Formats: sequence, structure tokens, C-alpha cells
Amino acid sequence: GEDVEQSLFLSVREGDSSVINCTYTDSSSTYLYWYKQEPGAGLQLLTYIFSNMDMKQDQRLTVLLNKKDKHLSLRIADTQTGDSAIYFCAGSASDSSYKLIFGSGTRLLVRP
Amino acid sequence: ETGVTQSPTHLIKTRGQQVTLRCSSQSGHNTVSWYQQALGQGPQFIFQYYREEENGRGNFPPRFSGLQFPNYSSELNVNALELDDSALYLCASSGGAGEETQYFGPGTRLLVL
Repeated sequence: GEDVEQSLFLSVREGDSSVINCTYTDSSSTYLYWYKQEPGAGLQLLTYIFSNMDMKQDQRLTVLLNKKDKHLSLRIADTQTGDSAIYFCAGSASDSSYKLIFGSGTRLLVRP
Repeated sequence: ETGVTQSPTHLIKTRGQQVTLRCSSQSGHNTVSWYQQALGQGPQFIFQYYREEENGRGNFPPRFSGLQFPNYSSELNVNALELDDSALYLCASSGGAGEETQYFGPGTRLLVL
């Protein structure tokens, strides 16, 4: 069935780049998303990429998509302490509901 | 802020009770999806409503039910609450068929004792 996997934890120093990785099984996903969740809060949409694109850049965020390997990554440049949060990747299912299938999240800790 | 609102923010219930959670979608959106997020996990899709009709359902039992109203706001009802229903319940609104991007509300945290 559909599955999305992420590494659990990443720690970086303030000012460094962070790279969060994700693998997915449903190759028919139309869009792939990155969401951010701060403690006790809902999900904030960060960015998304259409499945026929290889890369998308949005200010400090760069998304890379390798469809052959079903691998998605999110790079955050110049990581700040305010970027500390849990990051979820999600793919849209191919049925009519476009339900999102989420990974279990990567906790990013930015050290001063 | 996404413009998606949920109420209440927190709720405590006991096993066997029933609960109703509410969601107001972002202006101009006609689709609402509900997700359950257990502690330490990613959100799991419960169901979606598009123009007042259920438009897809995840692997949740029938005691999870929903409604969507003509103004596109929505309710999630859970009957016969179980301890494992304790979670953050998130609703997300989107623009409708073909407009997939979902914008989430802040969630309702439900604790079942």
C-alpha cells in the first residue's frame, strides 16, 4: 500500500544547511508536500512540488524530487533556531479524494 | 494563518461518550478533510467532504462520522469513544476537485480517559 518514510531526527547548528529526506511508495502522487509542525500546533504548509518537476526553490527552501528512486528532500538554507520543529512530507493519493499520506515526521533541532 | 478554524481547542471525555468537533474552512474552499494525529506520529486520513458529500474515507470504523454544511463548514463525530481515540484531530480545507493543496487548522486535542 501507500507508505511514506522519513528519518526521525536531525540536529544542525544555526547558520548551517539542513537536509530532510523522505521516501514514498505511491508513484502516482500528483503533488508532494512539506509541512512544518511546531509544538502543540497544526500543520503549516511550507512548499510543494508537482510530480513532473525535479526541483523547486522558494526563498531558503529547496525541494528535490527523484521520481526514479521515489525520493524527496527538503533543504533549508541558513537554518535558524525558529526552524526547530517537526517536518512532515506527504504525498497525495491517486483516488478522487486526493487524501494526503504522511510520513511520521522528522524532528529538526537547531543548536545556537 | 490559513483561515481554517477549529473548535474546541481541547476536550476531555470518558470512554463510551460521544464527541463532536467543528471546523470552518478557508473562505472560497469547498472541501474539508479530517485527519487524526496520534502522539509522535504523522496524521492519518479519516475522511473528506466535498460539497456536502463524503468523497473518500480512510481506514476508520463507522463510529467516526461527519457532516458538511452548505457554508462548507464541517463536523467530525465520534461515538463510543475509546482510549486510543486520544489524539490531535486536524481539519484541512482545499479548493475542491482538482485543487489539491490542503491548508490545516490548529487542531482539536482530544483526551479520552
